[in-house]
Amino acid sequence: DIVMTQSPDSLAVSLGERATINCKSSQTVLHSSNNENYLAWYQQKPGQSPKLLIYWASTRESGVPDRFSGSGSGTDFTLTISTLQAEDVAVYYCQQYYSTPLTFGGGTKVEIK
Amino acid sequence: QVQLVQSGAEVKKPGSSVKVSCKASGGTFSNNVINWVRQAPGQGLEWMGGIIPLFDPPNYAQKFQGRLTITADKSTMTAYMELSSLRAEDTAVYYCARVPHFFYDKSGGLYYYYGMDVWGQGTTVTVSS
Repeated sequence: DIVMTQSPDSLAVSLGERATINCKSSQTVLHSSNNENYLAWYQQKPGQSPKLLIYWASTRESGVPDRFSGSGSGTDFTLTISTLQAEDVAVYYCQQYYSTPLTFGGGTKVEIK
Repeated sequence: QVQLVQSGAEVKKPGSSVKVSCKASGGTFSNNVINWVRQAPGQGLEWMGGIIPLFDPPNYAQKFQGRLTITADKSTMTAYMELSSLRAEDTAVYYCARVPHFFYDKSGGLYYYYGMDVWGQGTTVTVSS
């Protein structure tokens, strides 16, 4: 199974500042057949279902604000919130879909400083 | 736009079974992968398995083999997750979630080409004596 490790577990960022979340996979999720990284990011607000933000490591889902961006390749990935808004308080998860079982990172809680 | 609506909360005794439904509306059903993901209280997300209603058979995480049954009824656009031999550690919110792009090959298996873009509202299952 591919193990997904996120860091930090939590972070507090001032409104308007940048938030950076890291995700590392135990093996590559870059597929040689199409040169795509099989990596997604989700946002889960308290009491809500997760919401897909990013797929293919860097492609924003329709309707997701452009302050959210994903980067990285192979085994190391980053989700960046460029200017944190109050509504971005949530737990963020990375997930690989390179192989089953699909696996998630442990989550990173983002709060306002 | 597809919506997934799940059945209501359940309270079960240890050793019993629970069956949760996930009904799709507003779009296609059979040519998606319907996945089941659970979240224990205060914990992260755990994929349990998935099914392509058009094809079968389901794909299960090894951890749940023998206890988990995922089925789908194309006529009612409803997927089901049944977990047996329940124990306290199965207390969680259970979600269904759709993946719209995939490749399925009977010999090679199931390959996902997207994240989970539509989620049900979640069903709380409490296992307690």
